[in-house]
Amino acid sequence: GQNIDQPTEMTATEGAIVQINCTYQTSGFNGLFWYQQHAGEAPTFLSYNVLDGLEEKGRFSSFLSRSKGYSYLLLKELQMKDSASYLCAVNTGGFKTIFGAGTRLFVKA
Amino acid sequence: GAVVSQHPSRVICKSGTSVKIECRSLDFQATTMFWYRQFPKKSLMLMATSNEGSKATYEQGVEKDKFLINHASLTLSTLTVTSAHPEDSSFYICSARGEGANNEQYFGPGTRLTVT
Repeated sequence: GQNIDQPTEMTATEGAIVQINCTYQTSGFNGLFWYQQHAGEAPTFLSYNVLDGLEEKGRFSSFLSRSKGYSYLLLKELQMKDSASYLCAVNTGGFKTIFGAGTRLFVKA
Repeated sequence: GAVVSQHPSRVICKSGTSVKIECRSLDFQATTMFWYRQFPKKSLMLMATSNEGSKATYEQGVEKDKFLINHASLTLSTLTVTSAHPEDSSFYICSARGEGANNEQYFGPGTRLTVT
């Protein structure tokens, strides 16, 4: 079966660094995405990893290990506006993408 | 970046009526669009893959006669919820596959459906 696991909730302090982990077991793998979703809004694209390693984009970085079925999203210099849900998603081949349940991040002052 | 619009953003309808939701790719052609539904504090659940000019591919457990999908052009896909019931109340989100090599999906803003 298809399974994507990520923590349900996390809390961090403004200005700090937070790492959101994601593990996956899927029938196929053609890339892993991270999306940010604010309440009542659609997801917005953050990052894409298809090869092992770290991809850095400003305050956000994403890491992938295909052999371990593992990824993380790293958020630096946290801001209050970063409070949102973060969705880990795997493209399993073709055009199909499966989403994890999301991690709700609360940033406190 | 690529823009996807959805209309309406919110709709309230009575039980037994049908509701049509439109999904448009505004600045690119999308041969493939996806329809998701999302319950509060839950993740996106893929309902169906909409292919331009052909029948949609529905996920297991999704009733194709209840959720009618039409992808009539390269920029428009519609989802019609037929004979809606209160349990169909949900947040419906469409996405369109981008033209890049990374299979990125661009999401519409979503439609909040409430069936009374």
